[in-house]
Amino acid sequence: TQLLEQSPQFLSIQEGENLTVYCNSSSVFSSLQWYRQEPGEGPVLLVTVVTGGEVKKLKRLTFQFGDARKDSSLHITAAQPGDTGLYLCAGSGYALNFGKGTSLLVTP
Amino acid sequence: KAGVTQTPRYLIKTRGQQVTLSCSPISGHRSVSWYQQTPGQGLQFLFEYFSETQRNKGNFPGRFSGRQFSNSRSEMNVSTLELGDSALYLCASSLGGLQGSGTQYFGPGTRLTVL
Repeated sequence: TQLLEQSPQFLSIQEGENLTVYCNSSSVFSSLQWYRQEPGEGPVLLVTVVTGGEVKKLKRLTFQFGDARKDSSLHITAAQPGDTGLYLCAGSGYALNFGKGTSLLVTP
Repeated sequence: KAGVTQTPRYLIKTRGQQVTLSCSPISGHRSVSWYQQTPGQGLQFLFEYFSETQRNKGNFPGRFSGRQFSNSRSEMNVSTLELGDSALYLCASSLGGLQGSGTQYFGPGTRLTVL
């Protein structure tokens, strides 16, 4: 099993702050996905990164895939309370290998 | 288009009982995958079904089993329940499955509590 380590595990910030969440592995992935999960719901796909060094932007969210395709980061600019949730990264394989997630709380 | 539906949403069982969970994928999707989510272990892959055939299986004991019907609906069964089976069970559907490049769409999950 290819392990994905996410950090930090928990993050509590105020509205308007910036933050970065990390996803690291010793394994190479052909692609990596980021999901957000809200309480009582299943994960929802935010983005898939495929190419080493790739950067994708989704409004205030910026995703980067490491050059060696072993790590990824998610940067949120000017966080809003609506960004609150569990952020999960998942590497592709014969199954999706998920990290344990970063629980983000954004307070007004 | 309706999303992935899971029934029931909540379930309480006692140790030793068995349970069956149901998942209806998005119309046209042939792949259904099941995951177990716990605070300690996160999301762990149970198995994937594609066109009624189990294609991949995670590292779970034989008490966990599943099947898929011709209409792509899938059921997961857990026998001889243990306290540690308490978790959120998620299913995800996709067009091409985990070996394809299609997006996985998750259902809201079934919250199983074992007493």
